[in-house]
Amino acid sequence: GAVVSQHPSRVICKSGTSVKIECRSLDFQATTMFWYRQFPKQSLMLMATSNEGSKATYEQGVEKDKFLINHASLTLSTLTVTSAHPEDSSFYICSALTSGAFRTQYFGPGTRLLVL
Amino acid sequence: AQSVTQPDIHITVSEGASLELRCNYSYGATPYLFWYVQSPGQGLQLLLKYFSGDTLVQGIKGFEAEFKRSQSSFNLRKPSVHWSDAAEYFCAVGAGFGNEKLTFGTGTRLTIIP
Repeated sequence: GAVVSQHPSRVICKSGTSVKIECRSLDFQATTMFWYRQFPKQSLMLMATSNEGSKATYEQGVEKDKFLINHASLTLSTLTVTSAHPEDSSFYICSALTSGAFRTQYFGPGTRLLVL
Repeated sequence: AQSVTQPDIHITVSEGASLELRCNYSYGATPYLFWYVQSPGQGLQLLLKYFSGDTLVQGIKGFEAEFKRSQSSFNLRKPSVHWSDAAEYFCAVGAGFGNEKLTFGTGTRLTIIP
């Protein structure tokens, strides 16, 4: 149980275009999902907390107009990188939070974004 | 605010040898503690977690971890490693119910030699 998927797994785009990444909880409902960014050989950096039916909460230094987050259902959150530039190239990972007393984050497999 | 320290950036062990990965945390109350493993180019897989109760926690793939409040530690152990255990290991701390954001350590890369 507690499986999280991401799509696409890898995307290459031209500078100036927008890219959408989907995060789905496959076998549980998640009112809260998280979006992380990971640079090579580094730890995960939390970008934002996505809450179903409400606006996302962004971490300090993360541009909300650059990284649009939509959590329209209990199983789907999307991250759109708008007007992507080469410096946005990174590994993006989402997680979904289980419900109940001892809530746990389960992670997706990640999306590798390369902006040319 | 909570923080996590993983003192070892890279550890190399022989296949079949025992393993201990260190994790120290800083948090004012009882933390929620997690160990995740990441293979190259992959997401994170949950190995085990501690919320309360028995301080020795069993996880998947033969891993275990022990919460020691007096030492602010949550070290990960395995009695005999397999080549497939080679990966990056992350310790994380959460503040608890209602504040589930995790703070991750910098990770420990585990290399297994035959």
